[in-house]
Parts: sequence; structure tokens; C-alpha cells
Amino acid sequence: GDSVTQTEGLVTLTEGLPVMLNCTYQTIYSNPFLFWYVQHLNESPRLLLKSFTDNKRTEHQGFHATLHKSSSSFHLQKSSAQLSDSALYYCAMGTQVVGQLTFGRGTRLQVYA
Amino acid sequence: EAAVTQSPRNKVTVTGGNVTLSCRQTNSHNYMYWYRQDTGHGLRLIHYSYGAGNLQIGDVPDGYKATRTTQEDFFLLLELASPSQTSLYFCASSDVWGNTLYFGAGTRLSVL
Repeated sequence: GDSVTQTEGLVTLTEGLPVMLNCTYQTIYSNPFLFWYVQHLNESPRLLLKSFTDNKRTEHQGFHATLHKSSSSFHLQKSSAQLSDSALYYCAMGTQVVGQLTFGRGTRLQVYA
Repeated sequence: EAAVTQSPRNKVTVTGGNVTLSCRQTNSHNYMYWYRQDTGHGLRLIHYSYGAGNLQIGDVPDGYKATRTTQEDFFLLLELASPSQTSLYFCASSDVWGNTLYFGAGTRLSVL
């Protein structure tokens, strides 16, 4: 079945260093669309960014990601981490199967001063 | 911003107890979802619905029932609660498939 893999459970960084959170996916469908959701402590998840287009960079709030169907990846990046970026990040995938949005297990990003 | 309201925010019950979690969205969204969130497992889909009276099974449906009584209201029912159902439950909605999910604040359920 469909799956989303986030290899890191925890990423720790010093403020100012670049961020990269990995996300890969598996699906039998040819046109998946990918999301990154962010969840700050004691809050609910909210959309950070999404992509429906292969090889097109999408950006929001300093973060960016590019859907690469050739490598089944949608890694989240930011050039310089801030303390306020500390949160739980979920990668999620949708396909033509309506209603079935598959989430990865999440990566907790902890940014230190 | 879409509004999704969950109640109660916290619930404690005993093994074998009967629990109903409520969710209301006021944005006329067609799709509503129930997820559970557990450390190490992320967000897992329990049930979802396309509209009033429609129900679809998610990835972890065992031990849960759901009912969508109106466009706005979606309920999750645990008729014989077990400790394994201790979790943080999120309701979410979206207008069309593939669009942004808007999450409620969550219900923390403890089954003793």
C-alpha cells in the first residue's frame, strides 16, 4: 500500500544552520501530491506547504520543497533555522484515492540557541 | 480560516466504557476526518466522510465507529474503550479532496 517515510525522528540544530527534513513516498499511482504540515507544541497541525507539480519548487514562510517524482521525494528545507521553527513536521501524500491522505511518522525539529 | 471545534478537550474513561467524541466545522466543508496521534506512529486515519450520511473506513478503524449526522457534525464512537485507545484525537475537514486539511484543537482521551 501507500506509504510515506520520514527517516529522522528527531533533528537537532543550532540556530542559523540550514534545515533539511527528509521525506520519501511509495505509491502505485502516477500523480501523487505532497504536503508538509507543522505542529507546534500544544497546537494542532497546520499546512506549511504543498505541491502537485513535479520538479516545481514551492515556498512558504522561509521553507521550501520540491516534488521529485523521479526519486519519490519531497524534502523540506530552510536556509537558516530559527528557534521558532522548533516543532513536529509531518510529510503527507495524497493520490487519486479520494480521502486517503497518508502521513509519515513525523520529524521533531529542535533548534537551539 | 476554517473553524473546526472538538469536544470535549479532555476525557477520562475506564476500560469498557462508552465514549463519544464530537467535531463540528462551520465552513461547509464536504470532507471530515478523524485521526489519532501517537508518538512514533504519527497521524493515523480512523474514519472519514464525504458528506452527511457517508462513512469511509480509514487505516486503523478497529474499535471505532463514526457517524456524520449533518454537513457540520462528525462523531467518533468508542463503545468498549480499551487502554490501547488512549491517544490524542484530531478531527479535520477540507472543502475538496486534495486541498488543505484544517484541524481541530484535539481531544486527549485516557482509558484507564
